[in-house]
Amino acid sequence: GIQVEQSPPDLILQEGANSTLRCNFSDSVNNLQWFHQNPWGQLINLFYIPSGTKQNGRLSATTVATERYSLLYISSSQTTDSGVYFCAVSYNTDKLIFGTGTRLQVFP
Amino acid sequence: NAGVTQTPKFRILKIGQSMTLQCTQDMNHNYMYWYRQDPGMGLKLIYYSVGAGITDKGEVPNGYNVSRSTTEDFPLRLELAAPSQTSVYFCASRSGGQGAKNIQYFGAGTRLSVL
Repeated sequence: GIQVEQSPPDLILQEGANSTLRCNFSDSVNNLQWFHQNPWGQLINLFYIPSGTKQNGRLSATTVATERYSLLYISSSQTTDSGVYFCAVSYNTDKLIFGTGTRLQVFP
Repeated sequence: NAGVTQTPKFRILKIGQSMTLQCTQDMNHNYMYWYRQDPGMGLKLIYYSVGAGITDKGEVPNGYNVSRSTTEDFPLRLELAAPSQTSVYFCASRSGGQGAKNIQYFGAGTRLSVL
């Protein structure tokens, strides 16, 4: 099955810094989603982005499907950005495969 | 808007006990999912359903059962609880179709400990 690797596993930032999170996947996908899990455990979808680039406020994401990776950019980070960011993928199936996540801590 | 609601939020079971984790959604979504998340890991799919009366296995179905008698409800049953089932369980749903309709919406989770 498809393997999903996320890097870095942990990231510590000061408020206001920018960061890039990476998701590599081992095979073709036509479904890629980024999620944020806040410190209380709630999972929120950030982007549905099987290809191309999207932006939502301070967050943006780019997926290069032909090279099998996706990037999540966080600009001007805030303490509320803390939590775990997951990438999840699938190909012609409902079975999303999740990576192990990037744990982000933003300090004031 | 309630979205996806899971009950209970927390539960402690003894080995061999059984229980049902409840999940209901009010978005009229056809697709529903059950995941488990072990500490420090991503989510793994247990079972999913593409509509009332239709269910299928995910990556880690052993030790669990599901049913889907209505569009709104998708309960997950543990028949003989084992310590390996200690985890956080998430229910999710999506509307179906292509594009943005692939986005999954998650409940707040059920934290289960089996001792």
